[in-house]
Amino acid sequence: DIQMTQSPSSLSASIGDRVSITCRAGQTLRTYLNWYQQQPGKAPKLLIYIASTLQSGVPSRFSGSGNGTDFTLTISSLQPEDFATYYCQQSYSTPYTFGQGTKLEIK
Amino acid sequence: QVQLVESGGGVVQPGRSLRLSCAASGFTFTNYDIHWVRQAPGKGLEWVAVIRYDGSNTYYAESVKGRFTISRDNSKNTLHLQMNSLRAEDTAVYYCARFLTGYSSLDSWGQGTLVTVSS
Repeated sequence: DIQMTQSPSSLSASIGDRVSITCRAGQTLRTYLNWYQQQPGKAPKLLIYIASTLQSGVPSRFSGSGNGTDFTLTISSLQPEDFATYYCQQSYSTPYTFGQGTKLEIK
Repeated sequence: QVQLVESGGGVVQPGRSLRLSCAASGFTFTNYDIHWVRQAPGKGLEWVAVIRYDGSNTYYAESVKGRFTISRDNSKNTLHLQMNSLRAEDTAVYYCARFLTGYSSLDSWGQGTLVTVSS
């Protein structure tokens, strides 16, 4: 199984801040890496697929980068609705493992 | 619009069985692989299983292999997860999600159904 490690596990930031979350895979994924946002009590929502492609309807302040084993999700200017938990997931090979999540909280 | 609706969750004793269902609408069900993902209370997401669009192949997480069976009825646009020999650690919200092959990602999710394994 491919292990996915996200960092940090939690992050405090203010409205307007630029934040980044990293995801490291135990082996190369090429670009088969996705990012999801989950609000409390809700299902996850796809933000970015294939490492850097923004899902339709997702604000352009979200961006993804990376290739191989190291990936980054960046939010350029935090908005109130962005405070949530973020997960990376590899879709390179089954089982399609998730990172442990990063909880983004308001400072 | 794309809709996935899970059902069948509830409280079950350890060692017993439960069958979850996922009803799909708003898209051509037979064109898509469907996955199950679960989330234990206060924990992260755990991938559980996938079934190919035509039911030809299935894959499972090690934690459920041999106990859970994923299946689909393409004539009824429905997915199932048969869960046997349930354990306390299977307690979670179970989500079904559509896999978009071209995006290699889970682009649509149901609202989830809660399974509680407790005596």
